[in-house]
Amino acid sequence: EPEVTQTPSHQVTQMGQEVILRCVPISNHLYFYWYRQILGQKVEFLVSFYNNEISEKSEIFDDQFSVERPDGSNFTLKIRSTKLEDSAMYFCASTTGGNNYGYTFGSGTRLTVV
Amino acid sequence: AQSVTQPDIHITVSEGASLELRCNYSYGATPYLFWYVQSPGQGLQLLLKYFSGDTLVQGIKGFEAEFKRSQSSFNLRKPSVHWSDAAEYFCAVGAFGGFQKLVFGTGTRLLVSP
Repeated sequence: EPEVTQTPSHQVTQMGQEVILRCVPISNHLYFYWYRQILGQKVEFLVSFYNNEISEKSEIFDDQFSVERPDGSNFTLKIRSTKLEDSAMYFCASTTGGNNYGYTFGSGTRLTVV
Repeated sequence: AQSVTQPDIHITVSEGASLELRCNYSYGATPYLFWYVQSPGQGLQLLLKYFSGDTLVQGIKGFEAEFKRSQSSFNLRKPSVHWSDAAEYFCAVGAFGGFQKLVFGTGTRLLVSP
C-alpha cells in the first residue's frame, strides 16, 4: 500500500535554529498538509497546500513557518527560528481529493527544541 | 467551522469485552468523518471513514462505526477487544469538498485489562 514518508523520524535542534522537515507524499495525491501534535495533546492543523500554493493555514502557522514543494516529490516544512514550544510531533498528510477522499498520514517527525 | 468532541479521555475495558468510543461533531453541512488510531510514539492509522450511504461503516481490525445524523455522532465500536487494541483513538471531521483540513478531537486513550 502506498505510504507517506517523513524524514527524519526524530530531530533535536537548539532554540533559534532553522529546521526543515521533509515529506514525500503519495505520488498521485494532489493535496498536502502539515499537522502538529504537542505531546499529550490533540492533532492540530497547520497548513494545506495545493497547486503549488498554500490553500489554508491556521493561526499557528505564523511567519516562522513556510512550506515548499521544491520538486515533484518532496513537500517540506521549514521553521526559521525554532522556539521551545515548537517541540512536537509533526505529521505530513496527503490526499487525492474528490468526493471519496481519504487522508494518508506519515509516521511523523518528532521535533525536540532544546 | 467544524469541531469534534470526544467526551471520554480514558476508557478501560477488559480483554474480550465490547467497546464503544464516543464522538460528537459539529458541522453545518455534510460531514466527512474519520477514526484514526495512534499507538505510543507512532503515526496515525486510519481505521474507517464515512462519506455517505450506509450509516454503519466497517473498518480494519474488526472496528465499526455508526453515523447518526440526528445525534451528530459517529461512535466507534468493537465487539471483542484485544490487548493489542490499547492505543489512543482520534475522531476527526472534514468538510465536504474532498480536500479540506481535518479537525480532530482530543482523543480517547483505551486501556485493556487482562
